[in-house]
Amino acid sequence: DAGVTQSPTHLIKTRGQHVTLRCSPISGHKSVSWYQQVLGQGPQFIFQYYEKEERGRGNFPDRFSARQFPNYSSELNVNALLLGDSALYLCASSRTGGPREQETQYFGPGTRLLVL
Amino acid sequence: AQKITQTQPGMFVQEKEAVTLDCTYDTSDPSYGLFWYKQPSSGEMIFLIYQGSYDQQNATEGRYSLNFQKARKSANLVISASQLGDSAMYFCAMRGTDSWGKLQFGAGTQVVVTP
Repeated sequence: DAGVTQSPTHLIKTRGQHVTLRCSPISGHKSVSWYQQVLGQGPQFIFQYYEKEERGRGNFPDRFSARQFPNYSSELNVNALLLGDSALYLCASSRTGGPREQETQYFGPGTRLLVL
Repeated sequence: AQKITQTQPGMFVQEKEAVTLDCTYDTSDPSYGLFWYKQPSSGEMIFLIYQGSYDQQNATEGRYSLNFQKARKSANLVISASQLGDSAMYFCAMRGTDSWGKLQFGAGTQVVVTP
């Protein structure tokens, strides 16, 4: 079975531009989470979506938004890009059927975003 | 608030030796899950092992085992018989009962396996 897929793998943008990152979860998984990983740090939680609804949001500005589609794939949008948005953006999927604390998240390969 | 602390920024280990990666955590949740992930230089986070806060036994998955000491709030990862392919960043993460989707990660430990 295919794992979590993300596109594009790499992206270069300039300050002020907008970017859209895409994620397809593992088949059968209904939940998608987004994380930002700045170089040298652990991933930071941005959003979680389950059944097309936002279920959790991290401490990120309103420039960050996301949505989930009926096929459970997801998009992360970032407006008015700043230099500090340069990072690896990771998408993770989970089944969401049992207790939340037990549920394992499986990550995709990530999208490396460079803002110049 | 939840917090994960990994105090070892980097470690060298010889091939075939065992290595222990430290992880301590802080949470007020009565029930929580602890996870370890491996991140090679390619960037993908690979799930290794899970430990539930109410699990009576330490988790094991192949060469990976978790030394869970609930009273000390520690969840150390032990990698036995290290291989060159084990060279990577290792992250400890935690998720609480009410944490919809949110995994709280530590800063990670860089492991380099030498021949």
